[in-house]
Amino acid sequence: DGGITQSPKYLFRKEGQNVTLSCEQNLNHDAMYWYRQDPGQGLRLIYYSQIVNDFQKGDIAEGYSVSREKKESFPLTVTSAQKNPTAFYLCASSLGDGNEQFFGPGTRLTVL
Amino acid sequence: KQEVTQIPAALSVPEGENLVLNCSFTDSAIYNLQWFRQDPGKGLTSLLLIQSSQREQTSGRLNASLDKSSGRSTLYIAASQPGDSATYLCAATMDSNYQLIWGAGTKLIIKP
Repeated sequence: DGGITQSPKYLFRKEGQNVTLSCEQNLNHDAMYWYRQDPGQGLRLIYYSQIVNDFQKGDIAEGYSVSREKKESFPLTVTSAQKNPTAFYLCASSLGDGNEQFFGPGTRLTVL
Repeated sequence: KQEVTQIPAALSVPEGENLVLNCSFTDSAIYNLQWFRQDPGKGLTSLLLIQSSQREQTSGRLNASLDKSSGRSTLYIAASQPGDSATYLCAATMDSNYQLIWGAGTKLIIKP
């Protein structure tokens, strides 16, 4: 089955901890994206990558970091510098900019 | 700055009715517009993508239209079913940088 997987489904973080969210795709897509979703708001772009070993900040990159060492993988680290990380995190991929985006099932992060 | 608005935020209709969901955008310089469906606690499912040169796209009981001059897109759902209950989001891809600008969504409830 082709698609995008995210793990874990639920994640709990203590104050001061860094946590990493996994995103893997087997669609052979070049571009990958991380979004944050808060209740009653539209999705906001955190980081995106158009090609391996390259990525750009989105609208709300502060407190987050990413890597793109493999085409299939685009992990997101939520650092302790992110003061309000409780949210639903969505990973997406596409053939390239402007093409249809396909989404994973999401990870819900809660700060304890 | 592009803004995407979806009104109403919530809509409840009886099963079997035809209905229209609205999406408006302030900047007509869009590359395409996408409609997505999101079930509670889940990721997004792409429904339809309309290129800026197109007027409409159809998939089964769904029909999406695009009018750039008026800054509007609509998603028409024919013969609604309880399984259509979900949140529907639209996103405009900007010509300038291919970034998606998201609406906050319309929560649709189809009553049996």
